[in-house]
Amino acid sequence: AQSVAQPEDQVNVAEGNPLTVKCTYSVSGNPYLFWYVQYPNRGLQFLLKYITGDNLVKGSYGFEAEFNKSQTSFHLKKPSALVSDSALYFCAVRDLGTGNQFYFGTGTSLTVIP
Amino acid sequence: NAGVTQTPKFQVLKTGQSMTLQCAQDMNHEYMSWYRQDPGMGLRLIHYSVGAGITDQGEVPNGYNVSRSTTEDFPLRLLSAAPSQTSVYFCASSPRPLGGELFFGEGSRLTVL
Repeated sequence: AQSVAQPEDQVNVAEGNPLTVKCTYSVSGNPYLFWYVQYPNRGLQFLLKYITGDNLVKGSYGFEAEFNKSQTSFHLKKPSALVSDSALYFCAVRDLGTGNQFYFGTGTSLTVIP
Repeated sequence: NAGVTQTPKFQVLKTGQSMTLQCAQDMNHEYMSWYRQDPGMGLRLIHYSVGAGITDQGEVPNGYNVSRSTTEDFPLRLLSAAPSQTSVYFCASSPRPLGGELFFGEGSRLTVL
């Protein structure tokens, strides 16, 4: 079965420090992986995706993610956190084998401390 | 450039009432879906559609109906509202190729008393 795990409900980081939000996945075929961000009372916004190619994927707002097939991980990273990065982050995997469904993690709340 | 539009944004219902959450997209996306978001549970798929005339159940379909008569519209119907359906509902669409990302609406907050 396809699934996504975000092991940390909450991540706190000081402004200017690097940040990492963790994600691991389980799929039966090739993984199509995504990161989304949600600000309060808003819909989810797409940050980046991995389909194929380079393991390091760059996305919006200076975020990047590293795909690691052996560890089945797709961690979200940013070299220098901003207070405005404080939000809820979701990792997702798309399963092309069962109706193209997306499976989401439970989300990680990121707080960047000034 | 409207994207995915959901109405209403807020709704309060009494137990047993029915209602329809509307979703429309103007991007000619074939794939559309409805999710509900509850604290600590992430997003759970209710129903989805891979094209006009085709719908299928997701993880939590009970108590909800959908139809897809056009590419643009994908309404979600609550047949007899229950307090357990109090949630934030999101509509999302995705283009071909099938590896594409989801585009989300702004959400509809539903409270069932």
